[in-house]
Amino acid sequence: NAGVMQNPRHLVRRRGQEARLRCSPMKGHSHVYWYRQLPEEGLKFMVYLQKENIIDESGMPKERFSAEFPKEGPSILRIQQVVRGDSAAYFCASSQILTNNEQFFGPGTRLTVL
Amino acid sequence: DQQVKQNSPSLSVQEGRISILNCDYTNSMFDYFLWYKKYPAEGPTFLISISSIKDKNEDGRFTVFLNKSAKHLSLHIVPSQPGDSAVYFCAASVRSGANNLFFGTGTRLTVIP
Repeated sequence: NAGVMQNPRHLVRRRGQEARLRCSPMKGHSHVYWYRQLPEEGLKFMVYLQKENIIDESGMPKERFSAEFPKEGPSILRIQQVVRGDSAAYFCASSQILTNNEQFFGPGTRLTVL
Repeated sequence: DQQVKQNSPSLSVQEGRISILNCDYTNSMFDYFLWYKKYPAEGPTFLISISSIKDKNEDGRFTVFLNKSAKHLSLHIVPSQPGDSAVYFCAASVRSGANNLFFGTGTRLTVIP
């Protein structure tokens, strides 16, 4: 049973470009979460999605960031017009049922904005 | 606004001894707590959790203690092994309603052989 998969593992973008981060949850998991970890900090919640629905996006910056989890395919975190402050590790997690908060994390995508 | 705090950024322990990692929280609505372990360049790995209806949960070498009145929890690892060297994150959530986890800033544990 494959774990949570994220790609790419490393992504380098120049200021103003777009970054697309992909996450495939564990088999059987229908809840996906995105977190961001800035250097020397803990993980900060960004968004919680179920298939085709955004449930909670209270941690998402109001501009340039969007997320989706389509009926088919991986969840996508999209960052438009990246800036240097977007450089961070972005982790995706998935869980199986609503009442169980044991979220399983992917290896992360390290975004570097030049 | 850091609702979950790990005030010790690092801890060094001799192999075979007990490691105690501490975590404090401010939100009284939190009722479920988790510990994650993280190696460099990897995602966090779930270790152990505890519900607020309990004050202790044990799994092998790992035990989590919860003191609700003090809004404090701790992770005990005994005996500590060199492979336990990693960053440990405390996390908390409200089980009903919002499902996002609130993380502390982590404690880097080094177990010295």
